[in-house]
Amino acid sequence: QKEVEQDPGPLSVPEGAIVSLNCTYSNSAFQYFMWYRQYSRKGPELLMYTYSSGNKEDGRFTAQVDKSSKYISLFIRDSQPSDSATYLCAMSPTGANNLFFGTGTRLTVIP
Amino acid sequence: ETGVTQTPRHLVMGMTNKKSLKCEQHLGHNAMYWYKQSAKKPLELMFVYSLEERVENNSVPSRFSPECPNSSHLFLHLHTLQPEDSALYLCASSQDRGNRPSGYTFGSGTRLTVV
Repeated sequence: QKEVEQDPGPLSVPEGAIVSLNCTYSNSAFQYFMWYRQYSRKGPELLMYTYSSGNKEDGRFTAQVDKSSKYISLFIRDSQPSDSATYLCAMSPTGANNLFFGTGTRLTVIP
Repeated sequence: ETGVTQTPRHLVMGMTNKKSLKCEQHLGHNAMYWYKQSAKKPLELMFVYSLEERVENNSVPSRFSPECPNSSHLFLHLHTLQPEDSALYLCASSQDRGNRPSGYTFGSGTRLTVV
């Protein structure tokens, strides 16, 4: 079983839609959760960073962590064509500087 | 220049060649990483350097050899590669704070093709 599972998509939505991206994980030691966005021909860039369970909001983006279900989500409101990218979830246990990544979900927002 | 810079952006090499990938970070971070990104697979951690010391070597074949001469520079030396080594190689840096992981800053990667 992979440490982190993420549906690779692809996912296509119309402009303005609400997008929901998800990851599940198996290691209960994971405490830190991140979302990265990767545009074509670029490296991933950090989008959201959360610790333990709960919600975090930044503009149109909301990250949710449910540790009891080992499930994390990223919501994008009012999606824009510029949001078209691959979104990778990543997580880490306390005391480690290694990140465990999902495979990434490719998102296309159609104008 | 800011961020993490990788060179070259693209590399085509034969199986008997020797080449090196270069990474430079301008962020004052104390940890650097090499990752391999292949289609439909999670990023695979290859090597971690913290304070210029290698702290992780993730069962990587010996045809990949890392070098970290100082906290700003990281190299990946390649020799006698196989076609399945074709992938995007990403360098990243972060500030190692001990208990709490920090987000990584990635370079744009080197697209490697082994022929």
